[in-house]
Amino acid sequence: ILNVEQSPQSLHVQEGDSTNFTCSFPSSNFYALHWYRWETAKSPEALFVMTLNGDEKKKGRISATLNTKEGYSYLYIKGSQPEDSATYLCAPRLRGNQFYFGTGTSLTVIP
Amino acid sequence: DVKVTQSSRYLVKRTGEKVFLECVQDMDHENMFWYRQDPGLGLRLIYFSYDVKMKEKGDIPEGYSVSREKKERFSLILESASTNQTSMYLCASSSGQQKLFFGSGTQLSVL
Repeated sequence: ILNVEQSPQSLHVQEGDSTNFTCSFPSSNFYALHWYRWETAKSPEALFVMTLNGDEKKKGRISATLNTKEGYSYLYIKGSQPEDSATYLCAPRLRGNQFYFGTGTSLTVIP
Repeated sequence: DVKVTQSSRYLVKRTGEKVFLECVQDMDHENMFWYRQDPGLGLRLIYFSYDVKMKEKGDIPEGYSVSREKKERFSLILESASTNQTSMYLCASSSGQQKLFFGSGTQLSVL
């Protein structure tokens, strides 16, 4: 079992604040890192798939960076909105087909 | 719209019953996965399959079996349900190294 750590576990921010969370994972045998957003009563949805060291991805107000050498990824949300409230999951993928999910960061954006 | 469909949203079973959870995807994906989600533990992989009739154990296969007779369908079987198998079960599929597509989940309660 791979040790994937996400921090913080939960976060409450005011609407308009910017925020970021961390995903840490063992850097050996790295293949890819996925970020998913899981809203209550819905299915998890992919945000980003990142493979290269130094990768930066952006989707609207959300962006992510990847450092495969030290084994971490950051997810940033600029100007948080209530609709950003969700649990954000990271999932490193090692050689092979298996993903290892972190426990997630639960974000609540207060209007 | 691409779809991963799980047969039941909520299911209540008795201890000792045999339980079938069905998952169907319409994207011709070769990879399919079964996860369970428990508070504070993140998504944990039970079994996955990378081809018809192929299966591999994930991190927590004990008490479960799977069946993949057709490419689009991946079934999770609880041979004799126990109370510690009360959980949210999520099915997912993917093609190659691409992102996962998730079903909406089955909340199973074993009484």
